Amino acid sequence: EAGVAQSPRYKIIEKRQSVAFWCNPISGHATLYWYQQILGQGPKLLIQFQNNGVVDDSQLPKDRFSAERLKGVDSTLKIQPAKLEDSAVYLCASSLMGQTYNEQFFGPGTRLTVL
Amino acid sequence: SQELEQSPQSLIVQEGKNLTINCTSSKTLYGLYWYKQKYGEGLIFLMMLQKGGEEKSHEKITAKLDEKKQQSSLHITASQPSHAGIYLCGARRGSTLGRLYFGRGTQLTVWP
Repeated sequence: EAGVAQSPRYKIIEKRQSVAFWCNPISGHATLYWYQQILGQGPKLLIQFQNNGVVDDSQLPKDRFSAERLKGVDSTLKIQPAKLEDSAVYLCASSLMGQTYNEQFFGPGTRLTVL
Repeated sequence: SQELEQSPQSLIVQEGKNLTINCTSSKTLYGLYWYKQKYGEGLIFLMMLQKGGEEKSHEKITAKLDEKKQQSSLHITASQPSHAGIYLCGARRGSTLGRLYFGRGTQLTVWP
């Protein structure tokens, strides 16, 4: 079974530039998550999708971050404009809807450096 | 504020030694997850605990959740260099579709 795919793996940009990350979840997984992991910290949820609807985006800085999940499969996370403090690893995860427990499978992440 | 507190922050052990990592919450945990992360990579699921007093083992790793469901421990027996990495505990509160809250992680180094 293929895992969660993410691209690019690494990205370096200057502050005030824009950047986009892509995630392809495990086939059949209805729930998709984007986490931000700053160096030395645990992952923090940015946004959670159930199919193509947003379930939780309370921690998403909506003035600069946006995310979409068209057709309930792939997802894109965008930052515009980027700030220095956005340097982090962006992790995408997915889980199967309806499970009695919420095991989340993580992708390899995208490491963003903002200069 | 940090939802979950992990201790120690880092751990350096000699190969073959046993070790324990702790994860503590001030709130009741409705699901406690242990993940392992290697630098530059995603999180690998290790174990999930739901019931108070529950204990699970996989190879040389054992995880426990206390009766009050506010503390979990991860124990590695006879550590190997392959165990090195960052161990993260995560927990959910509420619905099965809820977010996971994570601790800061414990950096484990195993030297031969």
